[in-house]
Amino acid sequence: QKEVEQNSGPLSVPEGAIASLNCTYSDRGSQSFFWYRQYSGKSPELIMSIYSNGDKEDGRFTAQLNKASQYVSLLIRDSQPSDSATYLCAVNLGGGTGTASKLTFGTGTRLQVTL
Amino acid sequence: ETGVTQSPTHLIKTRGQQVTLRCSSQSGHNTVSWYQQALGQGPQFIFQYYREEENGRGNFPPRFSGLQFPNYSSELNVNALELDDSALYLCASSRWTEETQYFGPGTRLLVL
Repeated sequence: QKEVEQNSGPLSVPEGAIASLNCTYSDRGSQSFFWYRQYSGKSPELIMSIYSNGDKEDGRFTAQLNKASQYVSLLIRDSQPSDSATYLCAVNLGGGTGTASKLTFGTGTRLQVTL
Repeated sequence: ETGVTQSPTHLIKTRGQQVTLRCSSQSGHNTVSWYQQALGQGPQFIFQYYREEENGRGNFPPRFSGLQFPNYSSELNVNALELDDSALYLCASSRWTEETQYFGPGTRLLVL
């Protein structure tokens, strides 16, 4: 079992729809979770971090965390063609909070927003 | 733009050679982490530097080594290059007391 798992996609959604991206992780002790967006040929760009169970909203993005199920997700509302990218889930596996992370990434989910 | 810079942007080397990649952290950040991203994969943690010392290492052989300088900039050195070392090398900076990391633009290394 991989430490951080994501469906590689591609996930295709029409413009204006909600895109739902999912991630599971292996270490129950993990405390910190991150979503990065990566355009083709570019470096990862931080979208959101989440540390507590529940939802965290930032504009069109909502991160959801369920530590009991070892599951973290990202919802993108009103999807735009510019959202087409690979979305990477990253986990500070087994780590505590409050110091610099050593991130473990999933392989990423490629999102395509169609017109 | 995150304020993290990396050089060079692209590099071509041959098998067995050595390479040095450089990273300047964002202003106010004192911790640098290096990641390797192979094509179609997520980034893999190589190591992290804080106070000029290695603070944690991923599953990479000793021919991957690094340095951090007093101004918090960092170098990644790879000796005896292998074809599988071809990848995007990413530097991420952060404050030691914070978990969020910000990536530089990366260096794309091709080993022939």
